[in-house]
Amino acid sequence: QVRLQQWGAGLLKPAKTLSLTCAVHDGSLSDYYWSWMRQSPGKGLEWIGDVVQSGSTDYNPSLKSRVTMSIDTSKNEFYLRLRSVTAADTGVYYCARGKRYGEWSGDFFQYFYYGTDVWGQGTTVAVSS
Amino acid sequence: DIVMTQSPDSLAVYLGERATITCKSSQDVLYSSNNKNYLAWYQQRPGLPPKLLMYWASTRESGVPDRFSGGGTGTDFTLTISSLQAEDVAIYYCQQYYSAPWTFGQGTKVEIK
Repeated sequence: QVRLQQWGAGLLKPAKTLSLTCAVHDGSLSDYYWSWMRQSPGKGLEWIGDVVQSGSTDYNPSLKSRVTMSIDTSKNEFYLRLRSVTAADTGVYYCARGKRYGEWSGDFFQYFYYGTDVWGQGTTVAVSS
Repeated sequence: DIVMTQSPDSLAVYLGERATITCKSSQDVLYSSNNKNYLAWYQQRPGLPPKLLMYWASTRESGVPDRFSGGGTGTDFTLTISSLQAEDVAIYYCQQYYSAPWTFGQGTKVEIK
């Protein structure tokens, strides 16, 4: 049974960089999307982005200019960095696993996401001066 | 972005009674080439992360009790709990994955009457 364990700083000052790590236990990094989500009273649940085993990423356009995700297959870990944080970035951040299927789309084999089935325990992040 | 709107925001139901939540998407999430609705449902109990209940609008995730069922197509969807149990007290969210960025509804809080 795959398990995600996440950690990182929970209190940040404005303009600093949020850094979180997620370790994948008892599971492989292949065949899934590795995601970061966040939840706040103001914005609800929000998809931040995904990284896959190859290192390829996909980000929410609303955060794309400030986000970097990466993955380390040797450690079975993936990471989130969010630059220039403000109070609007306050919330609970989750790492998660996205289900993936593949099929031919014309001449190309493509992968598609179809739900998030495993979640980390969440990290509460507060941005305050 | 596709906007997901749930109704009601909250509902209270007697134990053993039916609870129905509605989710409406601002755009069609039915992919015509495979006739699948790109919609998922999640349950979030207090203090816990969300849990995947349903994908493709009506396919239950492994281990989800069959009192949970999903329906609808296109832009209008429902999640039904046929006989509410105490452990079903939670907030329920719909999510579209038809078009990035994936977006969630605002949530529906289900309580015991």
